[in-house]
Amino acid sequence: KAGVTQTPRYLIKTRGQQVTLSCSPISGHRSVSWYQQTPGQGLQFLFEYFSETQRNKGNFPGRFSGRQFSNSRSEMNVSTLELGDSALYLCASSSQQGSRLSGNTIYFGEGSWLTVV
Amino acid sequence: QQPVQSPQAVILREGEDAVINCSSSKALYSVHWYRQKHGEAPVFLMILLKGGEQKGHEKISASFNEKKQQSSLYLTASQLSYSGTYFCGTSPGGSNYKLTFGKGTLLTVNP
Repeated sequence: KAGVTQTPRYLIKTRGQQVTLSCSPISGHRSVSWYQQTPGQGLQFLFEYFSETQRNKGNFPGRFSGRQFSNSRSEMNVSTLELGDSALYLCASSSQQGSRLSGNTIYFGEGSWLTVV
Repeated sequence: QQPVQSPQAVILREGEDAVINCSSSKALYSVHWYRQKHGEAPVFLMILLKGGEQKGHEKISASFNEKKQQSSLYLTASQLSYSGTYFCGTSPGGSNYKLTFGKGTLLTVNP
């Protein structure tokens, strides 16, 4: 079974630009969540989608948005990039067979390294 | 609220044991443990659900005490491949579909 696939793996953007990151979950997984990882803040939750609906959102500004398609693939977008947005963006998928995350394993992709200059 | 992991870093010699702790100020339904090597994605180790169960994966096991709102990860007879940063992720259960991660514990195993 293929794992979670994220593209692109590395990218450099200029402050003020926008960026779109893509994630293909494990086949059959309907839940996709996004995390930002930085040395100072660690792993921070951005948002989670299930069946094209955003179910939960972290404490990030509105510049961070996402969506999920009918095939469960997901994208996240960051507009008006700031230097502090430089980070590893991780996508994770889960089967979410139950009604709660608690009993479900989430699997991470390799991540997209974003550098804002 | 972010769970607190301790220690922040630990250095071992191959074959030694280590314990990594994860504490939360909030009631927990589950704890998820991951290991991340430099430049790689976090890799799932195990989930523990409330009930105080202990789970194991080869020489890595963990316990979860929901009354104390804490979990511990036990690494016995450590191997060089155990090196990495260990994260605990906590979930309060209910309809909350996000994990809140601790800042991580850097484990270095030397020959």
